[in-house]
Amino acid sequence: KQEVTQIPAALSVPEGENLVLNCSFTDSAIYNLQWFRQDPGKGLTSLLLIQSSQREQTSGRLNASLDKSSGRSTLYIAASQPGDSATYLCAVTSNTGKLIFGQGTTLQVKP
Amino acid sequence: DGGITQSPKYLFRKEGQNVTLSCEQNLNHDAMYWYRQDPGQGLRLIYYSQIVNDFQKGDIAEGYSVSREKKESFPLTVTSAQKNPTAFYLCASSPSEGRMGEQFFGPGTRLTVL
Repeated sequence: KQEVTQIPAALSVPEGENLVLNCSFTDSAIYNLQWFRQDPGKGLTSLLLIQSSQREQTSGRLNASLDKSSGRSTLYIAASQPGDSATYLCAVTSNTGKLIFGQGTTLQVKP
Repeated sequence: DGGITQSPKYLFRKEGQNVTLSCEQNLNHDAMYWYRQDPGQGLRLIYYSQIVNDFQKGDIAEGYSVSREKKESFPLTVTSAQKNPTAFYLCASSPSEGRMGEQFFGPGTRLTVL
């Protein structure tokens, strides 16, 4: 059974710092991996989607990497800003199209 | 203005009551999903529907029911059989010809049992 784990559960950094969020999954037979952002009490916004054949995707200050063989993904946020404060969720898509989510990492960026 | 709407934003239920959460999309997506989110946890799949008049159970379907009579609408009923319904409920949809797993989420409904 696929399990997705995100470490750490919470992270607090000063503004301007570069940071890395981690995601690991137990079954490497995935179709793709996504990173989402969730603001308190809100729905999910898709940030990056990495296909299983890709190694990384970039969008602005965000860079996500994927290492299928080791079951790991990282989300790198450059020059963090207070507006980046949110919960970041990682999800893998199984070959049946089902999304399996991690528990999320809650990020606080202090001014 | 395309998107997914969920209503109400907040819902309170008394013990023994059934309540229905609304989810509507005007994105012309074929597939729709319902997830439950508990504090400090990821999303868990309740039910999903890939086509009108058809739906399948997800991982935690007990105590819930759905219908898919129209492409645009996928209401979720939380029945009295659901013993711990207090949670944040998220609806999502995806196009049949989009990237597999790419889902678009609504703003959510927070359900509280009194």
